[in-house]
Amino acid sequence: GENVEQHPSTLSVQEGDSAVIKCTYSDSASNYFPWYKQELGKGPQLIIDIRSNVGEKKDQRIAVTLNKTAKHFSLHITETQPEDSAVYFCAASKNNNNDMRFGAGTRLTVKP
Amino acid sequence: EAQVTQNPRYLITVTGKKLTVTCSQNMNHEYMSWYRQDPGLGLRQIYYSMNVEVTDKGDVPEGYKVSRKEKRNFPLILESPSPNQTSLYFCASSPTWSAEKLFFGSGTQLSVL
Repeated sequence: GENVEQHPSTLSVQEGDSAVIKCTYSDSASNYFPWYKQELGKGPQLIIDIRSNVGEKKDQRIAVTLNKTAKHFSLHITETQPEDSAVYFCAASKNNNNDMRFGAGTRLTVKP
Repeated sequence: EAQVTQNPRYLITVTGKKLTVTCSQNMNHEYMSWYRQDPGLGLRQIYYSMNVEVTDKGDVPEGYKVSRKEKRNFPLILESPSPNQTSLYFCASSPTWSAEKLFFGSGTQLSVL
């Protein structure tokens, strides 16, 4: 089955800096890669997702890049703000498949 | 407001005492699932349901039961809880027929003593 590894486990940045979180996956058939943000005391919330037919996707200050050859994908947050502080999870699955595997999570802290 | 509602938010129980965590969604989603979140392990799926009366095992189903008698409700049942089931549990639903684009509830923190 799919195995997703996520790095780093913790990340601290200064407000206004960029943050990058990386994930690798093992199953080359995986083709759907979402990112979830979990704020303290809340459930994860989908912030961006990408399919394997696209190399990059942006939504305001966040972007996701995918390298299918290397089997890794990354979340990029620019101009970080204190409200970006949260735990971020990556995940991978095959199309229309229930087998969604999550990474272990990255705790991002943005210092004012 | 579109949401997934779980109850209770916090639960402390003792080994062997049956319990049920309720989950309800108001978005008319076909797909619902349960996850547990443990430090360093991310989210692991327990059970899922693609339709009423249709349920299937996820990655860690041992010790859990579910039912899907109505589209909106998907309760998680622990018939005989054990300490290794102490965890943070999340219910989720999706407008797709799979685990994509999940909407999560706020979580249930369960402690089994």
